[in-house]
Amino acid sequence: KAGVTQTPRYLIKTRGQQVTLSCSPISGHRSVSWYQQTPGQGLQFLFEYFSETQRNKGNFPGRFSGRQFSNSRSEMNVSTLELGDSALYLCASSLGQRRLYEQYFGPGTRLTVT
Amino acid sequence: KNEVEQSPQNLTAQEGEFITINCSYSVGISALHWLQQHPGGGIVSLFMLSSGKKKHGRLIATINIQEKHSSLHITASHPRDSAVYICAVYDQGAQKLVFGQGTRLTINP
Repeated sequence: KAGVTQTPRYLIKTRGQQVTLSCSPISGHRSVSWYQQTPGQGLQFLFEYFSETQRNKGNFPGRFSGRQFSNSRSEMNVSTLELGDSALYLCASSLGQRRLYEQYFGPGTRLTVT
Repeated sequence: KNEVEQSPQNLTAQEGEFITINCSYSVGISALHWLQQHPGGGIVSLFMLSSGKKKHGRLIATINIQEKHSSLHITASHPRDSAVYICAVYDQGAQKLVFGQGTRLTINP
């Protein structure tokens, strides 16, 4: 079975631009979660999608948004980029929501904002 | 104070040594995960546990729900075990994964 894939793997943007990142979960997985990893804050939860619905959102400004499609693929969007948005963005998929389902992580998208 | 605390933050050991990484948490949880992250960023889930003990090869994870504490042990450590190990708990109240700051493990040959 193919693992979780994320595109693009690397991205360089300038302040004020917007960016869209994509995540394709493992076949059959219906839940996708997004995380931000920075050297200062570590890993932080962004949001979780299940069956095309956002189930939970972390403490991030409204510039961070996402969606999930009927095939479970997910995208996240960051508008009006700031230098502090430079980070590794990871998505993870699981069979079901939250709780006791193991999460499988993608390789991440490394975003650099200049 | 962070909801999930790991110790030590950095650990260097010689090949063959027994390794222990600790994780303490302060929130009510549904499950605890141990993750491994290699340079380059990829994260692999090692264990997910809600009680007791799990073993996979040379890795053992334990959890004590009453004491809100978990440990990850590596027996007969090897240089390929060098990575960052991250403890994450599923916070029942907030319904999200909360991560520790990670433990950077270096095993020298």
